[in-house]
Amino acid sequence: GAVVSQHPSRVICKSGTSVKIECRSLDFQATTMFWYRQFPKKSLMLMATSNEGSKATYEQGVEKDKFLINHASLTLSTLTVTSAHPEDSSFYICSAKNRGPNQPQHFGDGTRLSIL
Amino acid sequence: GQQLNQSPQSMFIQEGEDVSMNCTSSSIFNTWLWYKQDPGEGPVLLIALYKAGELTSNGRLTAQFGITRKDSFLNISASIPSDVGIYFCAGQLIGNQFYFGTGTSLTVIP
Repeated sequence: GAVVSQHPSRVICKSGTSVKIECRSLDFQATTMFWYRQFPKKSLMLMATSNEGSKATYEQGVEKDKFLINHASLTLSTLTVTSAHPEDSSFYICSAKNRGPNQPQHFGDGTRLSIL
Repeated sequence: GQQLNQSPQSMFIQEGEDVSMNCTSSSIFNTWLWYKQDPGEGPVLLIALYKAGELTSNGRLTAQFGITRKDSFLNISASIPSDVGIYFCAGQLIGNQFYFGTGTSLTVIP
């Protein structure tokens, strides 16, 4: 149980393109989803916390107009990297947390984004 | 964001040896989690801890939630080659956000 699907697994696109990444909880309802960014050989950096039906809470230093997050249903959150540039190239990982107390977050397999 | 200090940064051990790593923070956390990440994949949950002082095992893995709620450790007994990977601790604050430690890279030499 507790499967999180992230799509696509890899994206290569030109500078200036907007890229959408989807995160789905397949067998549970995720009231909260999280988006992380990870650089090579580094830890996961929390970008934003997304609660279903409300605006995402962004961490300090993360541009909300650059990284648009939508959590329209209990099983789907999307991250759109708008007008992507080479410095946005990274490994983006989502996670989802079931409702209720004492619930861990479960991760998708990540999206490798490469901007040329 | 919050910073969790994880140590050691890397470990090179012989197969069969025991491993110990820990995380500390200046903040109080409600939940401590331990994950393992293989290259190019998302982290996989190993152990979840929800109460201060809690000691939980998962096979050869044992983790504890520190009494002060500011630290946690993970032990791996009798290591095997497939234990290779990067291990992360993660703490959850009252506000629901999770923050990750700096990671411990484990290499097991057969």
